[in-house]
Amino acid sequence: DGGITQSPKYLFRKEGQNVTLSCEQNLNHDAMYWYRQDPGQGLRLIYYSQIVNDFQKGDIAEGYSVSREKKESFPLTVTSAQKNPTAFYLCASRPTGAVAGSQHFGDGTRLSIL
Amino acid sequence: KNQVEQSPQSLIILEGKNCTLQCNYTVSPFSNLRWYKQDTGRGPVSLTIMTFSENTKSNGRYTATLDADTKQSSLHITASQLSDSASYICVVNLQTGANNLFFGTGTRLTVIP
Repeated sequence: DGGITQSPKYLFRKEGQNVTLSCEQNLNHDAMYWYRQDPGQGLRLIYYSQIVNDFQKGDIAEGYSVSREKKESFPLTVTSAQKNPTAFYLCASRPTGAVAGSQHFGDGTRLSIL
Repeated sequence: KNQVEQSPQSLIILEGKNCTLQCNYTVSPFSNLRWYKQDTGRGPVSLTIMTFSENTKSNGRYTATLDADTKQSSLHITASQLSDSASYICVVNLQTGANNLFFGTGTRLTVIP
């Protein structure tokens, strides 16, 4: 089945450690997104990419980094500079030429601090 | 300022009852509005999408309404089931820009037997 796969489902980070969240899609979508979800808040955009080898900062990019070397993959690294990384991270993709906002979401990665 | 506000924040209803969730927005220029259902620990799944010219759209027991003049939308759930327990998120899309989605904080619905 086509879809978006995020891994791992749960991730724990130690102090000063960088961790990488995986996002893979087989939907042939050009655009991909990373969101952070905290209790009581709406989804906040971290980074997005509209095409391979290109990405832009979202509203809360500080302490995060991404790469887009392949169309199918958009990994997110949470660096040690992100002082409050505990959250639910959602990856999304959007089909080419679709009605704006037609995003498909993965099932998320929950990141916690040890 | 572009904002999307949802109410109530949480809601508990008996199985079989109906309920209505509200979404008010100040996003402009408006393109479309989408309701998502998000089960605990899962990603959001789209229920309906409505453009400026649409007043009502249904998806099974879910019916969304849109009043573009007052910038209000509602999601009505009929004959609720235990599986309807989830968060419901309203998302409004601007007409322009790559970073053009505005998310509400969601309504947490719990259906009890």
